[in-house]
This record gives sequence, C-alpha cells and structure tokens, in this order.
Amino acid sequence: QGQLVQSGAAVKKPGSSVKVSCKASGVTFSTSAISWVRQAPGQGLEWMGYIIPLFGTPKYAQRFQNRVTITADESTSTVYMELSSLTSEDTAFYYCATPYYDGSGYYYWYFDLWGRGTLVTVSS
Amino acid sequence: EIVLTQSPVTLSLSPGERAALSCRASQSVTSSNLAWYQQKGGQAPRLLIFSASSRATGIPDRFSGSGSGTDFTLTISRLEPEDFAVYYCQQYGSSPWTFGQGTKVEIK
Repeated sequence: QGQLVQSGAAVKKPGSSVKVSCKASGVTFSTSAISWVRQAPGQGLEWMGYIIPLFGTPKYAQRFQNRVTITADESTSTVYMELSSLTSEDTAFYYCATPYYDGSGYYYWYFDLWGRGTLVTVSS
Repeated sequence: EIVLTQSPVTLSLSPGERAALSCRASQSVTSSNLAWYQQKGGQAPRLLIFSASSRATGIPDRFSGSGSGTDFTLTISRLEPEDFAVYYCQQYGSSPWTFGQGTKVEIK
C-alpha cells in the first residue's frame, strides 16, 4: 500500500520562497509521477506540475512556470516543490499525488494516491 | 486549457435520496479521460471514478459515472450520511490537467 508523507505547515513572508517535501513509500519511486496540486482555502483544486524521478525533467503548468521548481531525491524517495515570490494568493494547502501507472510506460493522469497536504500561509 | 464547470454549486438533499452532479467541459475531453473525487473537510481528495464510468478500488456501487465528450454526470443512487461532502471532476485528456470548482452535497 503506497503512502505519501508531506512536511509540516509553514508560514512565510510575502516575497519569500517555500519548499515542501513529499516522501514516498510502498511505491516504485523511480517511475512514480509525483505531482503537486494546490487548494486555496474554500477553493477548488489546481494542478501545478510533476516529476518522474527516472527521467528527472519536471513538467509545470504554464501559470506556475516561472515560480515553481520540482525536484526529486532518489536516495530518500522524496520529492520537493519550491514556490518562489510568494504572495497572499499562494496561501493554500499543497498536496502531492501520484497518477495510476500501468507498469509498461503509460500514465493515466487521474490521482489515486494523495498525501495529507501541507498548509502554507503567506502573511506579513 | 479545458475549463470544467460543475453544477449545481450546492445540492441540498436528504439521506436516501438520489444525487446527480454535472460536469461540463469547455471542449471535448479526449477518450472520456474524466475522473471524480470526493473531499471531506480537512482531508485530501479521494478518487471515486476514472475513465468517466469506472469505479476506483473500494468505492461502493451506489456511486456511478456517465457521459462523454463535454457532458459528464456523477450519480449517487441513495445518499448515505458519509456521502455529504464536496465533489470535484477532473479532466486528464489534455494537459494541463484541470479540475472543476466543486459541488457541495449538503444535508437538507
């Protein structure tokens, strides 16, 4: 049974950066396409990007392209999401999640495994 | 990007009643690559339906999905107390993957 364990809540100042971690267990880390999805308080879900550790090259949603960096550390089975130039609009829960992988190279991009979420609050 | 519009925003029903939630896409969703999720307060979303009509592992058969192209529906045949929550649709046929804004199913 796979599990994604995220780092704890963070409070940041406007203009700063935040780095959230997601440690995977019970899954094949190298082929897990770990994605980040955020949810502002009382709002809907927004996909930010993903990385497949085996390939290493992340893909980002265009609206976050200039501010987000997703990296993977295979030695610890951990993925990191760093968001820079924070504003109050970035206050949200940040979830890591993995899509279904059929084992032969194809990903079905619905998310069947989720972390519990990390609350990032941006406040002066 | 594909915009998903869910309706109604809020659905007020009693336990035992049938719920029908709509998700409309701004353009056709490739290969019915549409999923539904349930989210309860303070929790991560939970996958219910994928490929428009396939139930995820462990999901009761009172949950069903239908539709194709631009119009999709999630139906809960008889609401149980634990079904009162917010429901989101997501398309994964075209990157960027996008979600609807959600429908809240509340107790009447």
